[in-house]
Parts: sequence; structure tokens; C-alpha cells
Amino acid sequence: SQQGEEDPQALSIQEGENATMNCSYKTSINNLQWYRQNSGRGLVHLILIRSNEREKHSGRLRVTLDTSKKSSSLLITASRAADTASYFCATDGGGGADGLTFGKGTHLIIQP
Amino acid sequence: DAGVIQSPRHEVTEMGQEVTLRCKPISGHNSLFWYRQTMMRGLELLIYFNNNVPIDDSGMPEDRFSAKMPNASFSTLKIQPSEPRDSAVYFCASSVTVKLSGANVLTFGAGSRLTVL
Repeated sequence: SQQGEEDPQALSIQEGENATMNCSYKTSINNLQWYRQNSGRGLVHLILIRSNEREKHSGRLRVTLDTSKKSSSLLITASRAADTASYFCATDGGGGADGLTFGKGTHLIIQP
Repeated sequence: DAGVIQSPRHEVTEMGQEVTLRCKPISGHNSLFWYRQTMMRGLELLIYFNNNVPIDDSGMPEDRFSAKMPNASFSTLKIQPSEPRDSAVYFCASSVTVKLSGANVLTFGAGSRLTVL
């Protein structure tokens, strides 16, 4: 079963606007990561947030984590056409060398 | 480094045929993962290896699926016999554990798109 569930499933905005995607998960985690997938490509790691962190920034990306609500959000500011992609959250419950469990993703379209 | 290399990129085969997908992980990465992606089920973890040893194969759908990692630089995922419902994109990913957080940051290959007719 899917651990993370992204919301919305699809999002279309104008270039320059901010895009917010949400992720909910079910069990306790050690870390949460966000990945991007361009059409026809593999997933690319964007950012990792640990369970004891509440917010993290990387360039135009801002990630928040609320472990009490078992939810995370990814904000992309000043969106660009190149940000068009699917975005996935992934949870790592066991840490160490365990595999990640991915949600079904949010498909983001940036209209030029 | 060329990243995680998968082959073939595309494969079209007929039901009942054997399919072998190949993966070369990033040199120095000690964990390797096989995922399957479909529209209906999203990304599913099939199996993962740590230091060439299979750790968890509970995601392998059936006995028709098998995976091996004979050495640190090569892994295969085999489907025999293949069925139309196996049609999907199969991804290989490798990682080295980030010690500070104990987290795995995965580097994915470009995927192998399998179509079983």
C-alpha cells in the first residue's frame, strides 16, 4: 500500500506563481524526501527533511513537515516552465538501507 | 560518473517470453533498489539489495519475478514467463546511506519501459 499520498493529483498554474503540493503519510517516519520526475525520465532527488525538522529551504524550494499531522508540503516559488514535472514524496520509516515508499505524485504544469 | 545505467530502455515482447532487465549502479553505492511504475499503482518497491545481498523481496509480485546481484556493479531483474499485466516502467536506483540522518537518498536510472503483448 502507498505510504505517502500527494494532493492535489494535478496542478496547473501560470509561470511566476507559487506552487504548493501536499503529502500525507500513515506511519511514523525517520525522514521524508521529495523527488521530481520529468516525463520519460527517472526520479531526481530534490530535498530531504528529517523527522525532527519542521522546515527546510533549498533555492526556490521550501519543505515543511508536521509529524503530529503526518503531513508535509512542498512549495515552489516563482515557478518556471522547466518546473513542469511530477513531484513525489517518499518516506523512510526504517532508516538505514531500507527502501523508500513513494506516493502517486502531483503532476504540476506551469503555463508560460 | 554516468549515473545509474539501465538497459534496455524499451522492450516489447510477447506474452510468455522471458524478459531480462539490467542495471549498473553508481560506483561506491552499496544499496540497489528495483521499482515498478504504473499509472494505476504508482511506484512499487519490488526488491532491494544491500552489499549485494537481497534484503527484502516482499514486493516481488510473483514467482515469475526474480532478481540477482552477482557483484557490486551489476543487477538483473528477470520475468519468466512475462504477462501483459507486467507492462510497466521498471526503475533501478542506487544509494549510499547519509550517515547523519540515516536516510537513503536514491539516484534513479532512466528506466526500462516494458510492453508485453
